[in-house]
Amino acid sequence: NAGVTQTPKFQVLKTGQSMTLQCAQDMNHEYMSWYRQDPGMGLRLIHYSVGAGITDQGEVPNGYNVSRSTTEDFPLRLLSAAPSQTSVYFCASSSRTGIHKGNYGYTFGSGTRLTVV
Amino acid sequence: QKEVEQDPGPLSVPEGAIVSLNCTYSNSAFQYFMWYRQYSRKGPELLMYTYSSGNKEDGRFTAQVDKSSKYISLFIRDSQPSDSATYLCAMSGAAGNKLTFGGGTRVLVKP
Repeated sequence: NAGVTQTPKFQVLKTGQSMTLQCAQDMNHEYMSWYRQDPGMGLRLIHYSVGAGITDQGEVPNGYNVSRSTTEDFPLRLLSAAPSQTSVYFCASSSRTGIHKGNYGYTFGSGTRLTVV
Repeated sequence: QKEVEQDPGPLSVPEGAIVSLNCTYSNSAFQYFMWYRQYSRKGPELLMYTYSSGNKEDGRFTAQVDKSSKYISLFIRDSQPSDSATYLCAMSGAAGNKLTFGGGTRVLVKP
């Protein structure tokens, strides 16, 4: 009963480096999304997916790339890291079927703390 | 202007008091309303969710939605020190496929 698993938990990058934040869920949820959390800003949506092969941009997509080849996995790629991408990143998932049955809460992972120097 | 506004606090109350939290929003397309609790260095966890207008009660927690005023509230009765956390409101449209969050209110319950 893992829920949403994010790796790594911590990461330090140099400006210009690239990396992939991993997210996996074992609940067969159709909906998955990535958020970043900055002090005083709440959580802002980066990218989201409504199913395998389908992704869309959120509020702050620039500098990030996603793909969804399976229902379980939704990796987030930083193409060329910048100090402005220093943040805590959360992955979340939800069931489309559950939403229509009245259960529309998202399950969040424990986050990845990223520092870009 | 943000779509969802939430007072950042901090809100400090004595143990046993009622905690009152609220959010206002501007997007009339929002249909689902949620409250999340987030402890320091942890991911958000779902507390309550409601659909459209009305009240919902779960133990010590009551969520209210007033769509005509674009205003939602969360009340925590008999507050405990373990309720000290940041509370985030979140909303989504009819599809429910993405969430828009408020900035969060930090709550401190003092013994």
